[in-house]
Amino acid sequence: SQKIEQNSEALNIQEGKTATLTCNYTNYSPAYLQWYRQDPGRGPVFLLLIRENEKEKRKERLKVTFDTTLKQSLFHITASQPADSATYLCALYSGGYQKVTFGIGTKLQVIP
Amino acid sequence: DVKVTQSSRYLVKRTGEKVFLECVQDMDHENMFWYRQDPGLGLRLIYFSYDVKMKEKGDIPEGYSVSREKKERFSLILESASTNQTSMYLCAGRGGAGELFFGEGSRLTVL
Repeated sequence: SQKIEQNSEALNIQEGKTATLTCNYTNYSPAYLQWYRQDPGRGPVFLLLIRENEKEKRKERLKVTFDTTLKQSLFHITASQPADSATYLCALYSGGYQKVTFGIGTKLQVIP
Repeated sequence: DVKVTQSSRYLVKRTGEKVFLECVQDMDHENMFWYRQDPGLGLRLIYFSYDVKMKEKGDIPEGYSVSREKKERFSLILESASTNQTSMYLCAGRGGAGELFFGEGSRLTVL
């Protein structure tokens, strides 16, 4: 069955450092890999997506890589700030009318 | 961006009650989704709809039904609420590149 794994434990980093979150998947061939941010008690907010034929995508301080051979995506936040503290969700989508499948997320805490 | 509005942020219901969770999106997007989110289990898909009056079961449809009478509105119905349906319910609309736009969520407590 399809499986998405994210670092399930919380990730604590010092302000100003780069946070790197990992998303691994099995039994899946996604056309798109998506990343969302979720704050406590709120709905997830879409951040960015990367297509299967793209290796890297950037948006401001965010960078995502996608390796379809390793079946892995890395999500980087550079120059992290306490306001970046949240849970980050990885999601896979095959396109068309297919559903979006989510990992359980990684909780990031940026320490001042 | 798609804006998705869920009618109730917090609800408290009793076992056996019928519960309606309403969701409205302000864009002309076809696909809408209902998820529930529980600690340690993540987001699980209950139902989705890719057009008016169309519905598809997700991964955990048991105990739920949905209604899509108009393109902008997608309702989740709990015919007879049970305590194991206490959860955060999230509605989403799908954008052009497959990304989901979520509402703020409805936290349901069933006593």
